[in-house]
Amino acid sequence: NAGVTQTPKFRVLKTGQSMTLLCAQDMNHEYMYWYRQDPGMGLRLIHYSVGEGTTAKGEVPDGYNVSRLKKQNFLLGLESAAPSQTSVYFCASSYGTSGRGTQYFGPGTRLLVL
Amino acid sequence: GNSVTQMEGPVTLSEEAFLTINCTYTATGYPSLFWYVQYPGEGLQLLLKATKADDKGSNKGFEATYRKETTSFHLEKGSVQVSDSAVYFCALNASSGSARQLTFGSGTQLTVLP
Repeated sequence: NAGVTQTPKFRVLKTGQSMTLLCAQDMNHEYMYWYRQDPGMGLRLIHYSVGEGTTAKGEVPDGYNVSRLKKQNFLLGLESAAPSQTSVYFCASSYGTSGRGTQYFGPGTRLLVL
Repeated sequence: GNSVTQMEGPVTLSEEAFLTINCTYTATGYPSLFWYVQYPGEGLQLLLKATKADDKGSNKGFEATYRKETTSFHLEKGSVQVSDSAVYFCALNASSGSARQLTFGSGTQLTVLP
């Protein structure tokens, strides 16, 4: 099993450009999450999904959109990138209520917005 | 709301020294508690967890006990190794709500010197 994978690993954008980050998991998990990690701030939840076709806002959703068209994939979109969105983005997945909360993380995508 | 407060780093120790990283939390209900570890350039990995009061989580020589009376989940290891150098995150998972969202502390950077 590959676990949780993320593409791309690294990307540089100019302000105003758009991009999509892809997360894929092969563990048949119901729940998927997108976090951003900034120095000294831990991880903050952007959006999450509790199943195929569902999405919900997390702590810092502004400037991002997500889609969960297939159970195994969770896409994070930036419609008009801003320098404040320079960060490391982590995707995670977990079982539903039976999983007692353990989340499995991808290796991260480093995004630089100039 | 839920919150996690971690001991500020960075922490630098010599090999074979004793490690404690403090973690306290605020949460409603009965959360599950976690320690995640992030090695340089990688995503987060679950180190250990505890799901109810007085439970002790342990893995790779690390231990943490869920103390409801002091709302704490301090991480300890009796003899650290150079390979333990990483960032350690304390996190909680609220027992209420459908999304099983994790709330993270800000992370503690540990460097172990030979």
